Amino acid sequence: QVQLVESGGGLVKPGGSLRLSCAASGFTFSDYYMTWIRQAPGKGLEWVSYISSSGSNIYYADSVKGRFTISRDNAKNSLYLQMNSLRAEDTAVYYCARENPAAAGMIDYWGQGTLVTVSS
Amino acid sequence: DIQMTQSPSSLSASVGDRVTITCRASQNISNYLNWYQQKPGKAPKLLIYAGSTLQSGVPSRFSGSGSGTDFPLTINSLQPEDFTTYYCQQSYRAPWTFGQGTKVEIK
Repeated sequence: QVQLVESGGGLVKPGGSLRLSCAASGFTFSDYYMTWIRQAPGKGLEWVSYISSSGSNIYYADSVKGRFTISRDNAKNSLYLQMNSLRAEDTAVYYCARENPAAAGMIDYWGQGTLVTVSS
Repeated sequence: DIQMTQSPSSLSASVGDRVTITCRASQNISNYLNWYQQKPGKAPKLLIYAGSTLQSGVPSRFSGSGSGTDFPLTINSLQPEDFTTYYCQQSYRAPWTFGQGTKVEIK
């Protein structure tokens, strides 16, 4: 079955960096666009970034552009999110998610999430 | 960016009731509209995609409709496990954007 397992979250000071990882299994990872979505405590969902199956097409939300970098390693079935210059407002649960190729932007599987807390 | 607005933000209902949540897009998004259910402490789960197509395994009491800018999600005969939060999301144009959520509470 499809599994997405995030790791790498934790407590970091403002201005610091963190790298999130997502290990995928149960499907042909290299065939799918992948996405990061976040949810601040008690708030709604915010899409962060997506990367195409080959990694050649990448898109970021304005709120993270220039600070976050999405990447993937299809040989390792892994998705990454490098987060630099972190701010308090980046505090959130970060979900790794798979986009269904039949419908761009439709998220059919989500990981359990990893919490990132930015605080001094 | 395309703005998505859900109404109401919350509602109270009883088991067995029929409820409707509406999602409105700031521009025409055809039928590129998806609905998710999220239970506390859990990841969202896809319920409906392309406006009205039920995801595999989702109970038939959930239904979606609409096209263009207005999209209702209807839950027929609310069950205890349905009392939670629902989000719409447009997948017409990046950046994908979500509604603010609708919390369905027990009356």
